[in-house]
Amino acid sequence: KAGVTQTPRYLIKTRGQQVTLSCSPISGHRSVSWYQQTPGQGLQFLFEYFSETQRNKGNFPGRFSGRQFSNSRSEMNVSTLELGDSALYLCASREVNDEQYFGPGTRLTVT
Amino acid sequence: GEDVEQSLFLSVREGDSSVINCTYTDSSSTYLYWYKQEPGAGLQLLTYIFSNMDMKQDQRLTVLLNKKDKHLSLRIADTQTGDSAIYFCAERKGATNKLIFGTGTLLAVQP
Repeated sequence: KAGVTQTPRYLIKTRGQQVTLSCSPISGHRSVSWYQQTPGQGLQFLFEYFSETQRNKGNFPGRFSGRQFSNSRSEMNVSTLELGDSALYLCASREVNDEQYFGPGTRLTVT
Repeated sequence: GEDVEQSLFLSVREGDSSVINCTYTDSSSTYLYWYKQEPGAGLQLLTYIFSNMDMKQDQRLTVLLNKKDKHLSLRIADTQTGDSAIYFCAERKGATNKLIFGTGTLLAVQP
C-alpha cells in the first residue's frame, strides 16, 4: 500500500495570506489527524476527522480549520497567516483500531 | 497537565545499547508509542505498548512500562549510525486518536 501523502511538501507564504494543505491517507484508512510541529512548542494536535466529521480538536485558534472528503482525503486551512504559523504540518491516517501512520509533512514558512 | 517529558540528548557509541526515557502524566492513557524522526522527514512508528503490559520486545527494540511511576523507556540494542534521529514518545488519550507527544530525544551515534 502507498503511505500517507501530503502536498505540497514545501510552501512559502506571506503574513495575512491563507493556505490550504492536503493529505491523502493510506487506502482504506478513514481517520485522519493533523499535527503541528515547531521547535518551540514541539508536536501539537490540531484536529481529527473520521468519516467526514471532526471528532476532536486541539487548542488552536479558529484560523485553523479542516475538512475531510468522502474519499477520506483531508485538507487543512490556515487563514490570516502569522509568522508563528511557520511549522511542519504532519498528517496521520489510521484504520479503525490500528495505529497512526504519518506522512512526510508540509513545511510552511511564513514571511 | 499534558506534559510528556524526555531528556533532550543522548550520545552512544556504535554497537552499544541506547536507553531513551519518557515520563508521561495521564494514568488513563491506553497506548504508549515510540516514533522516530530523521532530518527533514515525518514520523516513523517504531513500536507501541498497551497500558496493561510491562514489556514488549521487537527485534532490537525493547519497551519497558512502569505504570506506577508513569515511566516508559525504549532500549535499542546494538545501536547503529542509522539509528541517529530524534525519538518521540507519545501517549494516546482513551478512545480518541489524539496523541500527546514528548519533547523528543536526539540520539547521536558515534562510529
